[in-house]
Amino acid sequence: GQSLEQPSEVTAVEGAIVQINCTYQTSGFYGLSWYQQHDGGAPTFLSYNGLDGLEETGRFSSFLSRSDSYGYLLLQELQMKDSASYFCAVRGSSASKIIFGSGTRLSIRP
Amino acid sequence: DGGITQSPKYLFRKEGQNVTLSCEQNLNHDAMYWYRQDPGQGLRLIYYSQIVNDFQKGDIAEGYSVSREKKESFPLTVTSAQKNPTAFYLCASSMDRGREKLFFGSGTQLSVL
Repeated sequence: GQSLEQPSEVTAVEGAIVQINCTYQTSGFYGLSWYQQHDGGAPTFLSYNGLDGLEETGRFSSFLSRSDSYGYLLLQELQMKDSASYFCAVRGSSASKIIFGSGTRLSIRP
Repeated sequence: DGGITQSPKYLFRKEGQNVTLSCEQNLNHDAMYWYRQDPGQGLRLIYYSQIVNDFQKGDIAEGYSVSREKKESFPLTVTSAQKNPTAFYLCASSMDRGREKLFFGSGTQLSVL
């Protein structure tokens, strides 16, 4: 089977840096993705890691360690609009089957 | 503009009734997916399809059915066998290459009367 674990809630201060971790267990592995979802909205793609290392896209970075079955999303210079839920997702045993974690709700304080 | 359209935005089901959620995409994507999201929860995979006339069960397929007769359409039927259908349903698609990036529709909120 496949499973992903991430913290349910994280709180941070505006302008700070926050890291959201994700550990996964899959029978196969093709890559780890991150999505952002605001309340009542649809998830939007943030980043993808197919290989070990860090991927940077503006204020957001994502890291993957395949040997540790672990990844994280790093958000820098936090803004109030970053308050949302963040999901990690893996492409596992079937190249087209994408499974999501339960999500991390990020709350940002002024 | 290209995108994924889900309809209706809100849907109500009576006991014992089947209802169908529509999902249409004009992105020319090969793969399409249906996810269910309960309040405060993650997305759980119901069904997915890699090509026309082919689809596979996800983790919670019981009580649901799909068809993929056209590349751009992937409707989901919530049958009367699904005893707890109230949820937010999300349709998504991805290219054959770069399957890691899913594009989502705006969702359908299904409630039971």
